[in-house]
Amino acid sequence: DQQVKQNSPSLSVQEGRISILNCDYTNSMFDYFLWYKKYPAEGPTFLISISSIKDKNEDGRFTVFLNKSAKHLSLHIVPSQPGDSAVYFCAASASGGYNKLIFGAGTRLAVHP
Amino acid sequence: DGGITQSPKYLFRKEGQNVTLSCEQNLNHDAMYWYRQDPGQGLRLIYYSQIVNDFQKGDIAEGYSVSREKKESFPLTVTSAQKNPTAFYLCASSMSGSGNTIYFGEGSWLTVV
Repeated sequence: DQQVKQNSPSLSVQEGRISILNCDYTNSMFDYFLWYKKYPAEGPTFLISISSIKDKNEDGRFTVFLNKSAKHLSLHIVPSQPGDSAVYFCAASASGGYNKLIFGAGTRLAVHP
Repeated sequence: DGGITQSPKYLFRKEGQNVTLSCEQNLNHDAMYWYRQDPGQGLRLIYYSQIVNDFQKGDIAEGYSVSREKKESFPLTVTSAQKNPTAFYLCASSMSGSGNTIYFGEGSWLTVV
C-alpha cells in the first residue's frame, strides 16, 4: 500500500519555464512533507519542506504547495534550469514516535534548452 | 567539513558472503538510518537508531544487521540471508524526533556477483 504516490515517472520542461512536480498521500496523520533532489549514484539532497500548518513554503526558485483536503502537494520550480534535471522524491512523516519518512517513487525531471 | 560519509562507494560481493557498509556522521545527530533504493522505486527503510546502543527494524530489515556503539557510526551488514542484496544503500541522519529533516550520505552501490 503506497502511502506516498508520485504518479508521473517523468517530466520534460523547457529551460526558463515552470516545472510542476506532484505528490499525493493517503495517510491523514502525515504532518510534515519534504522534497529531495537526487542525481544518479548520489545521495538525495534536501530541497524544501512544509509543515501541515502551512499551505505554502517558498525558497528561492522552489515553492511547495500543500492542499490538505486533497492530500496533495506540489513542487514548483521557476524558472527551470538544466541543472535542475534530476529525480525528485516527495516524502512524508507523521509526528510522534521516531522520524520515519515515507518516500514516493520519484519523478525524473529533464530540463532541456 | 560536516556531513555523512559512506564507504565504500562500490562493493562487489560473492553469493554467501557477508559485507559491511560503513557510515560516519559528524553532524552531532542522535538519529541514524539505513535506506535502500532499487531502480524505479522510492527509498525503503532498513534499520534506524534514535540513540547509541539502540536500534529498531524498519520495513525491510530481513537479511540485514546493524550496530550503534558510537553516536557517529552506524554500520550496516548485509548478510547472506538477504535474498536480493544488489541495490544502492543510503545512510542518513537527523536530530531525534519527528519533523526533523533527514540528511543523506552519498550512497554505496552493492553488487552481488
